[in-house]
Amino acid sequence: KAGVTQTPRYLIKTRGQQVTLSCSPISGHRSVSWYQQTPGQGLQFLFEYFSETQRNKGNFPGRFSGRQFSNSRSEMNVSTLELGDSALYLCASSSSTSGGLQETQYFGPGTRLLVL
Amino acid sequence: DAKTTQPPSMDCAEGRAANLPCNHSTISGNEYVYWYRQIHSQGPQYIIHGLKNNETNEMASLIITEDRKSSTLILPHATLRDTAVYYCIVRVVDDKIIFGKGTRLHILP
Repeated sequence: KAGVTQTPRYLIKTRGQQVTLSCSPISGHRSVSWYQQTPGQGLQFLFEYFSETQRNKGNFPGRFSGRQFSNSRSEMNVSTLELGDSALYLCASSSSTSGGLQETQYFGPGTRLLVL
Repeated sequence: DAKTTQPPSMDCAEGRAANLPCNHSTISGNEYVYWYRQIHSQGPQYIIHGLKNNETNEMASLIITEDRKSSTLILPHATLRDTAVYYCIVRVVDDKIIFGKGTRLHILP
């Protein structure tokens, strides 16, 4: 199976702009999670989507949003970009269901965002 | 906050076994122990997970103490490609992953 893919891999934006990142999960996986990684804060959970519904949410401001499509692909959007939003944004997918089965998350290569 | 404590860094000679410890003294009965690693600037890679029994796969072994308050990840024959940050995580079913700072493992030639 192909792994998790993320596009674009690299992105440069300026303060105040908005950005949309895309994630395609492993085929058959319905859960998609997003993480932000910075040198100072490490890896932090943003949100998780399952069957087009947000199921878990981390402690990020409302400028960070996401959505999931019926084919399980997911996008995250960051509006009004700030310098501190420069980070590696990682997407992970799993075959997790709502039935309580533990499943492993598999990560994509990430999108490196630089805000100038 | 992360529920695990790991040493910030460790060294291991190439070809030797690398033993990475993790403390998770507040682990709940329904929480699994997961290990991931992240090679520089790549996405985290799943290694292994377990609930209470020791586990082994093609990458590593996971030893969980009987009281489940600590665990050890063992890479049996470390190579230079095993140089990475290793994260020990505890999580319940379908819950988000909370990463700590991990252990930076240096494999010495």
